[in-house]
Amino acid sequence: DTEVTQTPKHLVMGMTNKKSLKCEQHMGHRAMYWYKQKAKKPPELMFVYSYEKLSINESVPSRFSPECPNSSLLNLHLHALQPEDSALYLCASSQESRNLGGETQYFGPGTRLLVL
Amino acid sequence: QKEVEQNSGPLSVPEGAIASLNCTYSDRGSQSFFWYRQYSGKSPELIMFIYSNGDKEDGRFTAQLNKASQYVSLLIRDSQPSDSATYLCAVNLGGATNKLIFGTGTLLAVQP
Repeated sequence: DTEVTQTPKHLVMGMTNKKSLKCEQHMGHRAMYWYKQKAKKPPELMFVYSYEKLSINESVPSRFSPECPNSSLLNLHLHALQPEDSALYLCASSQESRNLGGETQYFGPGTRLLVL
Repeated sequence: QKEVEQNSGPLSVPEGAIASLNCTYSDRGSQSFFWYRQYSGKSPELIMFIYSNGDKEDGRFTAQLNKASQYVSLLIRDSQPSDSATYLCAVNLGGATNKLIFGTGTLLAVQP
């Protein structure tokens, strides 16, 4: 089973709202990722959690705040977003393994976010 | 700047033909290579990964890796209209971080 789930599927929010995106996996993976993808562009890495600790922040604005409550869950808290933040937000997970192939990332279905 | 390059396409092939998708990468230290398929409006779906020089086959898909030429390709045999999608090449740089660098993707259109 290589399933990563994300909720909600769609989200519309105003620039003053606070909302959260959720991601869950039950594959025993110890690394989890947030990506942002704009139309006709490849996914852009935002954050990486490894063993529930933030290991990479790709200079993401502070209006995006990640959280990893446990090894199966990953949240992305959103506050005071801008219209240009509208995009598909993807969560992925992988084994935290140095064995080649163990680092394979599996993506969830994404949350399509529209900021008005 | 570590880069992964793909022809954006569209690559148009007739149904039943072989589709050949190509990808080059700049970092010689790259260790593993991935092909993802992404349908419009959907998330990337893993097709294959490869980390040794040569070919790796899985059903109608064959990934080819040539580290000396810094080149990875994906062949799709007996292409079907359902294969029409964007194909993303991704490269893992290895080392302490498990960071993927994505190419811009190639749009494949299989004509019935």
